Amino acid sequence: QKEVEQDPGPLSVPEGAIVSLNCTYSNSAFQYFMWYRQYSRKGPELLMYTYSSGNKEDGRFTAQVDKSSKYISLFIRDSQPSDSATYLCAMRYNAGNMLTFGGGTRLMVKP
Amino acid sequence: EAGVAQSPRYKIIEKRQSVAFWCNPISGHATLYWYQQILGQGPKLLIQFQNNGVVDDSQLPKDRFSAERLKGVDSTLKIQPAKLEDSAVYLCASSLDRAWRNTEAFFGQGTRLTVV
Repeated sequence: QKEVEQDPGPLSVPEGAIVSLNCTYSNSAFQYFMWYRQYSRKGPELLMYTYSSGNKEDGRFTAQVDKSSKYISLFIRDSQPSDSATYLCAMRYNAGNMLTFGGGTRLMVKP
Repeated sequence: EAGVAQSPRYKIIEKRQSVAFWCNPISGHATLYWYQQILGQGPKLLIQFQNNGVVDDSQLPKDRFSAERLKGVDSTLKIQPAKLEDSAVYLCASSLDRAWRNTEAFFGQGTRLTVV
């Protein structure tokens, strides 16, 4: 079993839709949770960073963490074609900075 | 602020050949990482440096992979000899300091390696 599981997709939605991306993890030692966006042939870029359970909002993006269920989500409101990319969840333990990534979900937003 | 620089962008080699990748992190960033990203998968950490010292290389295939960061700034990752399964994108990332709880890791664009 992988430490971090993520549905690979692809997920195809119409422009303006609400998108829900999810990851589950097995190790309760993970304390910091991140979402990265990766465009084709580019490196990942950080979108959201959360530490505690609950919601964190940044513009059209909301990150949700449920530590009791070992489940994290990223919601994208009013999705745009420019949101088409692969979304990677990542997490790390309290000490050090090593990131453990999920496999990524490919999102396609159609005009 | 300049980002993480990597070269070359693309490399095609035959199996059993050797190859080297170069990374220049963001100025002032003490921590440097090399990740391997196989097509369709998330990045996997190969090695983490803090200045010029190795913090974690537990997932580095040391029989064929080596990495160094001699002066605590730029870094090279070498594969010798390459295997077909080494075909992947090699990502370099850097962050201010591993001890800081909220430091962000910035990624370069990666080097896409194809072994034929």
